[in-house]
Amino acid sequence: EAQVTQNPRYLITVTGKKLTVTCSQNMNHEYMSWYRQDPGLGLRQIYYSMNVEVTDKGDVPEGYKVSRKEKRNFPLILESPSPNQTSLYFCASSSMGLAGINEQFFGPGTRLTVL
Amino acid sequence: DAKTTQPNSMESNEEEPVHLPCNHSTISGTDYIHWYRQLPSQGPEYVIHGLTSNVNNRMASLAIAEDRKSSTLILHRATLRDAAVYYCILRDVRDYGQNFVFGPGTRLSVLP
Repeated sequence: EAQVTQNPRYLITVTGKKLTVTCSQNMNHEYMSWYRQDPGLGLRQIYYSMNVEVTDKGDVPEGYKVSRKEKRNFPLILESPSPNQTSLYFCASSSMGLAGINEQFFGPGTRLTVL
Repeated sequence: DAKTTQPNSMESNEEEPVHLPCNHSTISGTDYIHWYRQLPSQGPEYVIHGLTSNVNNRMASLAIAEDRKSSTLILHRATLRDAAVYYCILRDVRDYGQNFVFGPGTRLSVLP
């Protein structure tokens, strides 16, 4: 089954404790992206990747890192989480075509709480 | 990227057609129109996208105005499961950056 998986689905942590949220897709997609969703602010893009070793900042990259060492994986790293990073995080992937990004497939989301 | 304007909310009755409007008066010739929706407690879900011609798929139809300054997502027969936030997004195919910007969308309520 074609899918995007994220782990963990729920995480409660404390300020300053490094964490990684994993994202994996099994569709051989070139494009992958991370979004955060907050009430009243909607979905905002954090980072995206056009292919292996190619990453770029989205609208809200501060406090986050990403890497794309393999095509299928795109982990999101919070080196020193802060309470303002409490949010619902979505990973997405897509193939590329004439329209640029084709249909994006989204993961189920990771709800992160930073105390 | 050119901006889109959508109504904050809409209501529909079950089993009736729904027309969700999107205005994009500053659209460029290379902007594709994408629609996504987000069901409660789920990640966004692709619905449809198009450039100039009307598009149909199993989920919906996309009607694009001749001047491309507006478009309409058509759900032919709304069900309770179609209650969601619908996002209309413009993406310039020339933008290598591929930054994908979601707006506030339209919250669709479907009444039984």
